[in-house]
Amino acid sequence: QQQVKQSPQSLIVQKGGISIINCAYENTAFDYFPWYQQFPGKGPALLIAIRPDVSEKKEGRFTISFNKSAKQFSLHIMDSQPGDSATYFCAASKQGNDMRFGAGTRLTVKP
Amino acid sequence: DAGVTQSPTHLIKTRGQHVTLRCSPISGHKSVSWYQQVLGQGPQFIFQYYEKEERGRGNFPDRFSARQFPNYSSELNVNALLLGDSALYLCASSLFGAGANVLTFGAGSRLTVL
Repeated sequence: QQQVKQSPQSLIVQKGGISIINCAYENTAFDYFPWYQQFPGKGPALLIAIRPDVSEKKEGRFTISFNKSAKQFSLHIMDSQPGDSATYFCAASKQGNDMRFGAGTRLTVKP
Repeated sequence: DAGVTQSPTHLIKTRGQHVTLRCSPISGHKSVSWYQQVLGQGPQFIFQYYEKEERGRGNFPDRFSARQFPNYSSELNVNALLLGDSALYLCASSLFGAGANVLTFGAGSRLTVL
């Protein structure tokens, strides 16, 4: 069922560094690409999202870069902080239905 | 302001039993979706309901069923439980059934099947 491939599986970054997580999708009908952040014991929470007519979206320290021709998108976390340590999921959906999630990236930011 | 609430938070069942999980969406949200998250994996789509009608179904067996009530709350039922059904079951609510659909997730119901 997986149509979204996410890498890396885990990532360790020093405080103040840049965290980069990549995703690739298969279905060209997808038109909504969100990133979710999940802390242990909690449900995923929306971090930032992009539509395919935009190549980049920035919200604070979080940026999504989108490459429609390559069917890839990535999350960049600038100035990474220990509080950013969590599991991050990319996702994709068509018309907001049947959201397909990547397998997740466990980010650890070392102080 | 209450978010998405799910109950129970944890439960243990044995193989062959059935389970009912409940979800109350954010006030004003008319769409509820259910996801299964196996440990170490991303959530997998099970069902979406909007205005009490099923709008989408993932690749799950018929042992899984759901419904949405007039107050937009929802139940997920799983019959004839298997060990592989052990997972965190997430409910998400959204304003709409389509479009740039911002999903707000609950904390989940953790099901363990022995």
